[in-house]
Amino acid sequence: QVLLVQSGAEVRKPGASVKVSCKASGYTFTSHWMHWVRQAPGQGLEWMGLINPSGDYTMYAQKFQGRVTMTRDMSTSTDYMELTSLRSEDTAVYYCARDVSWSDLAWWLDPWGQGTLVSVSS
Amino acid sequence: SSELTQDPAVSVALGQTVRITCQGDSLRKYHASWYQQKPGQAPVLVIYRENNRPSGIPDRFSGSRSGITASLTITGTQAGDEADYYCYSRHSSGSHWVFGGGTKLAVL
Repeated sequence: QVLLVQSGAEVRKPGASVKVSCKASGYTFTSHWMHWVRQAPGQGLEWMGLINPSGDYTMYAQKFQGRVTMTRDMSTSTDYMELTSLRSEDTAVYYCARDVSWSDLAWWLDPWGQGTLVSVSS
Repeated sequence: SSELTQDPAVSVALGQTVRITCQGDSLRKYHASWYQQKPGQAPVLVIYRENNRPSGIPDRFSGSRSGITASLTITGTQAGDEADYYCYSRHSSGSHWVFGGGTKLAVL
């Protein structure tokens, strides 16, 4: 059974950083990219970026460039997403999701982690 | 704003058929996938590569594409299908991926 288990909820003050983890199991970790998606309260899904299977290539949404870093630890099959310089607008549920692709024409995310709530408040 | 456009809300009578659409230039080249999200839960994949269902997804869910519009159709809609639905695809520039703004489905 393919499973992504994320770390627990976090509370941070504005200007601080947060690092969310996503532990994968049930599949070959080094065969799949991982995406990160966030959802602010009452809002839609927002793509943040991805990391490649070997962990040496990342692509970030322009909105998060300079503030987000995605890494992976092969030894523990765990992905990480760190967001710095937090502001209240970063309050959201953050999801990791495994990438599956076909022929450079189709991509889908399956499964998703359970989500990690990050609250930013003074 | 999203580069994939969805109607914010759609309603359907119990047992009837509903189509949820997603429009964007990237869909001319790239296939869409669809996700169902119920309150307080993570999204779940319901359609991938336009018209394929993952195991466990009922066959009343189907997908299609025409031009720059991808569609998710639910036939014989059940009360449990009430949820938010999102389309997803790669941006036409290839530089990032994008979700539609989401459609809230109400089952009457």
